[in-house]
Amino acid sequence: GENVEQHPSTLSVQEGDSAVIKCTYSDSASNYFPWYKQELGKGPQLIIDIRSNVGEKKDQRIAVTLNKTAKHFSLHITETQPEDSAVYFCAASISSGSARQLTFGSGTQLTVLP
Amino acid sequence: NAGVTQTPKFQVLKTGQSMTLQCAQDMNHNSMYWYRQDPGMGLRLIYYSASEGTTDKGEVPNGYNVSRLNKREFSLRLESAAPSQTSVYFCASTEGGRGFKQFFGPGTRLTVL
Repeated sequence: GENVEQHPSTLSVQEGDSAVIKCTYSDSASNYFPWYKQELGKGPQLIIDIRSNVGEKKDQRIAVTLNKTAKHFSLHITETQPEDSAVYFCAASISSGSARQLTFGSGTQLTVLP
Repeated sequence: NAGVTQTPKFQVLKTGQSMTLQCAQDMNHNSMYWYRQDPGMGLRLIYYSASEGTTDKGEVPNGYNVSRLNKREFSLRLESAAPSQTSVYFCASTEGGRGFKQFFGPGTRLTVL
C-alpha cells in the first residue's frame, strides 16, 4: 500500500518568515495530494490540494509543489503569522473503485514565534 | 450547512464495554470514512463506505464494526473496548466518484480504562 513520509515533525519560525514542509510518497499511482491544518481540539481542515497533472498551485500565502518523478510534494507558507501555528498533515490518494482513500503523513507541528 | 457532525465529543469507557460513535453529514456526499488519530502517527483509516449500502475495511479495522445507516449517517461500533482503542476518532465525507475533497468532523476523544 501507499506510504507517506513527512518532515520535519516540528518546525519553529519567526513571524514573517517562510515555512516549508516536505512529504514523499511511495505509490506512483497516487494522483491527488491534499494538505490539512489541524488546530488544537479540532478536526483537520483542508487548506490546499493539488492533482498529479499540475506541478504547482498557489492560494494567497500558501503554495504546494509536486514533483511526480521524485514522488515528493511540499507545502510553502510565506509571511507566516501566529495564527498559522497548528499541526499540518500531508496526504496522498489513490482512487480505489468508487471511493478515494487518503494515506496521511505523521504531521508537522508548526510554531510561529511573534 | 453543519458539514460533518460527530457525537459524543468525549467518552470514557471501561475495558470490555461497548459503544457506538455517531457521524452525520449534510453535504449529500456519497462516501464516508472513519479514522483514528494517535500521537505521532497521523490519521489511520479504520473503515469506509463508498456509497450507501457498502462498507469496506481500511488499514486498522480490527476491533471495530460500522454501519452505513443511510446516505447521511455512518456509525462506528466498539463491541468490547480495549485500552489500545484509546484515541481520537474522526469521521469524514467526500462526494465520491470524481469528487476529491474530503471534509472532517470535529472528532470524538475516547479513553478506555
